[in-house]
Amino acid sequence: EIVLTQSPGTLSLSPGERATLSCRASQSVTSNYLAWYQQKPGQAPRLLIYGASTRATGIPDRFSGSGSGTDFSLTISRLEPEDFAVYYCQHYDSSTMYTFGQGTNLEIK
Amino acid sequence: EVQLVESGGGLVKPGGSLRLSCPASGFTFTNVWMSWVRQAPGKGLEWVGRIETKFDGEIKKYAAPVKGRFTISRDDSKNTLYLEMHSLKTEDTAVYFCATDFARAYLGSWGQGTLVTVSS
Repeated sequence: EIVLTQSPGTLSLSPGERATLSCRASQSVTSNYLAWYQQKPGQAPRLLIYGASTRATGIPDRFSGSGSGTDFSLTISRLEPEDFAVYYCQHYDSSTMYTFGQGTNLEIK
Repeated sequence: EVQLVESGGGLVKPGGSLRLSCPASGFTFTNVWMSWVRQAPGKGLEWVGRIETKFDGEIKKYAAPVKGRFTISRDDSKNTLYLEMHSLKTEDTAVYFCATDFARAYLGSWGQGTLVTVSS
């Protein structure tokens, strides 16, 4: 079973700054089945990135994903006030199905 | 626009049962695999289970903590997804979200969730 470990647990930045969130898998991820979700308080998660680097429909281009194998990252190039939220990475495997990381809380500094 | 509206949550005693519903609109429900995902208070996301389309055999998969206690079903005539929960435990307390499958590996659209509280 693949375990996803996200770091840091909390990231404190200011609007306009660049954010880099990490997601490390305990084993190599199958076919880059790696996604990122954003969740704001009291709201449902929203799919941002899938296939490690493809933005979902309607996601601004300041969001980008990269990585392969066991190391993945989500970068937000210039933080907007609405970007402060919790971010989860997710892996899919046909045996273990959907596995989520524990989340990174991106907070305003 | 995709709309998913969960309902049926509430307070239930340990060992009790509950059925959640998720009527869907804005897409062809019959053609879409659907999942349930839960989130315990202040915690992260946990996938609960998935049901494939009738065309694909309506295959159901479950996470280990709920297997044998929870059952997912769908009524394509009503565009509605269900989650039947039995033998509920305190650790099942969570907000339960329904979500559409995307590319058979991700969760594309989500409802707002319904809170299930298991407590005596």
